Amino acid sequence: AQSVTQLDSQVPVFEEAPVELRCNYSSSVSVYLFWYVQYPNQGLQLLLKYLSGSTLVKGINGFEAEFNKSQTSFHLRKPSVHISDTAEYFCAVSIIQGAQKLVFGQGTRLTINP
Amino acid sequence: ETGVTQSPTHLIKTRGQQVTLRCSSQSGHNTVSWYQQALGQGPQFIFQYYREEENGRGNFPPRFSGLQFPNYSSELNVNALELDDSALYLCASSLATLSIFNGYTFGSGTRLTVV
Repeated sequence: AQSVTQLDSQVPVFEEAPVELRCNYSSSVSVYLFWYVQYPNQGLQLLLKYLSGSTLVKGINGFEAEFNKSQTSFHLRKPSVHISDTAEYFCAVSIIQGAQKLVFGQGTRLTINP
Repeated sequence: ETGVTQSPTHLIKTRGQQVTLRCSSQSGHNTVSWYQQALGQGPQFIFQYYREEENGRGNFPPRFSGLQFPNYSSELNVNALELDDSALYLCASSLATLSIFNGYTFGSGTRLTVV
């Protein structure tokens, strides 16, 4: 069965520092991977997605992620974070199991300190 | 282009009661999925509706049910509410044939508190 593991439940960083949020997946079939962001009291917003092709994927707000098939990872990175990046980040894999659906990780809370 | 709209934004119910949550899908989208997000957890798939029929369900009991209407809007109904049903309920819409590639557009959710 497909699953997603986010290795850090919380990541505190200082403003303008780089950040990496880690995500590992398990799947025996082709994977389609996503990162979503959830700001306080809001729904989920798509940051970026990997379908195929280049393993480095660029998204909105300066975020990027790298797909690594051998390590079954899809880590999210940003070279310099801002206070406004404070949010919960979710990694997800898209699968077909009856319906097409997303399987999410537990989430990583990113806290930016001034 | 309108996004996904959910109502109400918050509500409080008593254990044993029934609740109906509503969702208007994004224009052009014909598939609606519902997710439950408990506090501190990632969203969990409840079920999906396509062409007014349920076409997939997660590990949720039958007291969770839904409807999809001809205009693709949807309802989530929960009977015999339990304290553990307290969560943020997210509606997500998509165009069926592209869901697996494009992901979904999510609404802001309905925060349900069961007391």
